[in-house]
Amino acid sequence: GAVVSQHPSRVICKSGTSVKIECRSLDFQATTMFWYRQFPKKSLMLMATSNEGSKATYEQGVEKDKFLINHASLTLSTLTVTSAHPEDSSFYICSARPSGRNTGELFFGEGSRLTVL
Amino acid sequence: RKEVEQDPGPFNVPEGATVAFNCTYSNSASQSFFWYRQDCRKEPKLLMSVYSSGNEDGRFTAQLNRASQYISLLIRDSKLSDSATYLCVVNLFLMNSGGYQKVTFGTGTKLQVIP
Repeated sequence: GAVVSQHPSRVICKSGTSVKIECRSLDFQATTMFWYRQFPKKSLMLMATSNEGSKATYEQGVEKDKFLINHASLTLSTLTVTSAHPEDSSFYICSARPSGRNTGELFFGEGSRLTVL
Repeated sequence: RKEVEQDPGPFNVPEGATVAFNCTYSNSASQSFFWYRQDCRKEPKLLMSVYSSGNEDGRFTAQLNRASQYISLLIRDSKLSDSATYLCVVNLFLMNSGGYQKVTFGTGTKLQVIP
């Protein structure tokens, strides 16, 4: 099956620093990748849709200057949490949809747990 | 009304029981539907797609009712290993928006299978 790798799986940082999370599709190309965050005992919340070669589409209420998304190639999207604060601590998950497939099936990264001190 | 709604549960059922989850969606133009399973502190994993004609995979049966805008998941002969949160996922593919795809997750239904 399709594999999506997300890195790092855990990161602890000081308040005010920036953190970059990578999402790679290892055995397929992904024109579209998605970024979610999940709070404890809550569902996944879509933050933004990342499109290769163009600007990301952010969901309402998500600050694009706070959560920078770059999708420079068909196999890599990055999420940078800028000037992180404790309230940004969360579980961030990416997913990717193989190019050319319109079934909607998604493949998820393992997730990245961010803790901001 | 939420775009995708699920009963959060928890559903506590004994081993061997049959349990069913429902999920309703608000956008009638939604095109594809899935059930994902998420274990604690792990990423969601695809359990099965949901087709209009209904589909079965072993002990799992998924059904879609477009008229009433809901999907269901039936688990027969529950196993301890079925304990997890089951997420309903609804996909809307907006061709007129440059191929923008909106994927919406339900809040999940927690299942606990008891020995």
